[in-house]
Amino acid sequence: SAVISQKPSRDICQRGTSLTIQCQVDSQVTMMFWYRQQPGQSLTLIATANQGSEATYESGFVIDKFPISRPNLTFSTLTVSNMSPEDSSIYLCSVYTAGSSYNEQFFGPGTRLTVL
Amino acid sequence: QKEVEQDPGPLSVPEGAIVSLNCTYSNSAFQYFMWYRQYSRKGPELLMYTYSSGNKEDGRFTAQVDKSSKYISLFIRDSQPSDSATYLCAMRGNAGNNRKLIWGLGTSLAVNP
Repeated sequence: SAVISQKPSRDICQRGTSLTIQCQVDSQVTMMFWYRQQPGQSLTLIATANQGSEATYESGFVIDKFPISRPNLTFSTLTVSNMSPEDSSIYLCSVYTAGSSYNEQFFGPGTRLTVL
Repeated sequence: QKEVEQDPGPLSVPEGAIVSLNCTYSNSAFQYFMWYRQYSRKGPELLMYTYSSGNKEDGRFTAQVDKSSKYISLFIRDSQPSDSATYLCAMRGNAGNNRKLIWGLGTSLAVNP
């Protein structure tokens, strides 16, 4: 298993500003993911954070809007840039651990973002 | 049409009831079927997963997959107030892009003492 922490747990931001969310894992992991969970919508994968290379973004998500860093095997950040009220959501990071199947992702507690 | 459909509820049952949660899907390439539980202000956690068709039991929880109907279910027996949470189904195929997890909306369940 893995223990994942996220900072901040919640924030209220103004339109046009940016917020960086941190994800820290208690063990080294190869694959880290960033998700968005909006009311009335299913959990949506934003991107896969790769250590030592650029993140891989899903359709509908771009690096300019959601830049991601992955400086080592235990840490990643997601920045939500030039925010609008439509970015209000819960943002979750998740990981696979060595030995876990591709069916079991471990999630952080999430960052609850409100954009005014 | 969404790849995975799940009724968001909410579903409210008395303590001790049998709960049935369901998802349907359209992609016949899906082979692995997962149920995650998410408590309020927490991330989802894996309850159980099933490969292909069939049943799997774990304590009070039973997962069923019917690939011919593209229909999966999670049954909770003797439901407890601590089972109150959102239950998300997720599924994936075997290889390439099909290995990405596709999620249902989640069903909100309240078990009343």
